[in-house]
Amino acid sequence: DVKVTQSSRYLVKRTGEKVFLECVQDMDHENMFWYRQDPGLGLRLIYFSYDVKMKEKGDIPEGYSVSREKKERFSLILESASTNQTSMYLCASSRDGFTEAFFGQGTRLTVV
Amino acid sequence: AQSVTQLGSHVSVSEGALVLLRCNYSSSVPPYLFWYVQYPNQGLQLLLKYTSAATLVKGINGFEAEFKKSETSFHLTKPSAHMRDAAEYFCAVSDWDSNYQLIWGAGTKLIIKP
Repeated sequence: DVKVTQSSRYLVKRTGEKVFLECVQDMDHENMFWYRQDPGLGLRLIYFSYDVKMKEKGDIPEGYSVSREKKERFSLILESASTNQTSMYLCASSRDGFTEAFFGQGTRLTVV
Repeated sequence: AQSVTQLGSHVSVSEGALVLLRCNYSSSVPPYLFWYVQYPNQGLQLLLKYTSAATLVKGINGFEAEFKKSETSFHLTKPSAHMRDAAEYFCAVSDWDSNYQLIWGAGTKLIIKP
């Protein structure tokens, strides 16, 4: 069974903390993505990666960075968490742009 | 630029009634079209996809969608709603112009009335 695994389902962090969200896929996919999901706004792309050590900004990269040191792992970093980053974060992977994306279960992050 | 419009942030139907969730897209080239479903507190999973084969696409859980190029639509239907269909549904498009990145609609929450 194919899988995208996010390290945490729920996280509570304090304002100003550095936060790491981890995502691992076991499908040998080239593409990996980080989305943010907020009510009424759908999915917004934060960053994506087509290959190891490669990253591209999405629609809302401000306040975030990413790391992809290995093909299977894609990390999202909040350098200094703020309350407006409270959200659901979804990781996804895909083989290419023509095939489906597989999603992790999501991490609900609350910044207090 | 590509865009996806889902008409209605919430759609409510009675159990056993027809489900119709609307999706319109803008694309100047042949697109790939997807419907995903998200159950509460879960990630998204693929319901069905259109990739330039048959215009009527059958998916999981009894859902289907029809690609209509002239109307730039890809509406999702199911003949008879079940309580377990209550979820949020997302339409997405990718094409050459988006470098085959998925462009997402805002989502439609399907509510099933007993």
